[in-house]
This record gives sequence, structure tokens and C-alpha cells, in this order.
Amino acid sequence: SQQGEEDPQALSIQEGENATMNCSYKTSINNLQWYRQNSGRGLVHLILIRSNEREKHSGRLRVTLDTSKKSSSLLITASRAADTASYFCATDPSTGGFKTIFGAGTRLFVKA
Amino acid sequence: GAVVSQHPSWVICKSGTSVKIECRSLDFQATTMFWYRQFPKQSLMLMATSNEGSKATYEQGVEKDKFLINHASLTLSTLTVTSAHPEDSSFYICSARDGQVERLRDTEAFFGQGTRLTVV
Repeated sequence: SQQGEEDPQALSIQEGENATMNCSYKTSINNLQWYRQNSGRGLVHLILIRSNEREKHSGRLRVTLDTSKKSSSLLITASRAADTASYFCATDPSTGGFKTIFGAGTRLFVKA
Repeated sequence: GAVVSQHPSWVICKSGTSVKIECRSLDFQATTMFWYRQFPKQSLMLMATSNEGSKATYEQGVEKDKFLINHASLTLSTLTVTSAHPEDSSFYICSARDGQVERLRDTEAFFGQGTRLTVV
């Protein structure tokens, strides 16, 4: 990817379990965002965390950010079949304009 | 939240023809819009940054003569795939940021619903 990697590339879990996805990036950033994409469709913005924040919650989502390690994680608790999608982290580099650069993505499959 | 509308949502064209994709910010002014390309099961690759009233900035490896970008107003950017070939078949997505608050550096980018281009 242009900015970094995500792992795992694919994740299969049972409904009710937690799903954790990790993202690493290469440059210093202003903020990091997580998006969900259902197959062949547009992006849904999930959460934005600023570079001076370490953790953020939104419903069943928990995002952490470690700027010293240039990494972030997305935790989805009590997963549902409807959470099945691809998840991307995206960063706004602190230099080079306001463009958003995407990680490679994690394909999550939640089995009912 | 802010809405970005992309049109068409899908298009099939013959090899050698040109296709224009529109990206509109519906309820905010976007001085800057972005065009991405996504191949199946891959991530979004930034193609270019579209600046209102000036030339677009293309990412390395993206042919500017192949992918013509016009950002004629604060609410509309267009991407034209010229002389399309089957290898140009892909999912194209635009995004925009609210020009009023972009200085704050902590606002999300709003994405269109994407355009699936198939060149036959």
C-alpha cells in the first residue's frame, strides 16, 4: 500500500467474538481514520483519532494509536455477522497536503 | 454529515472510448478533492489530488494524460478516463474535505459511493 500495512490480511471469527485489526504506517501523521467497506461498495467512516490521542471509543469500536510505533489497532467487540466487511486504516500525513492514504486492509468474516 | 455524490455508480464502455466520472460535494465547499482507484480485493490507491481552479497533482506512476482531472468549481471535480482499455477496469472513488475546516487538520474525508468502470 502507499502508506503502510495492516494485519491480519484476513480474519474469520464466530459471532460474539472480538475482532482485532492492526495497522502500521510510515510517516508522521495528523490523524488516523478507520473505514469499513462492504464488498464492491463505498466507504463508511468509522472513527477518527488525532495524533495527540491514544485511545477512542465509539459503540462497539475501540481504536488505539501509538505514534511512537506508528501503529494503530481497531477492536470490534461482540462481533455480528453484519460486521463482515473489509476494514481499512487511513492516515493524513502531516506533510504533503491533506490527502488521505490507505493501508492494505483487513477482510473480516464473521460467521453466524 | 457531509455528503459527496459520485456519478455514475457503474459504467460499461467500449475499449478506446472515454468515460467521465463526476464527484460533487452536496452541502459543503471542497477546495480539494481526491481520486482513488481500487482493484478487486485490494486497497485504495490515491491517484491524484484535485485542486479547484488549478492543475491536479498526480501521484507517481499515474498518467496525467490518461486520467484527466478537472476541478472547475468548489463543488465539482471530474475524472475522465481517456481511451479506456480493459486494464483500466476498476473501482474509482472520490473524496472531499470541507474547505472551511480543513485547516484544523482533524476532519474526516467524505467519500463518494464509487464508480465501477468496466471496459470491454
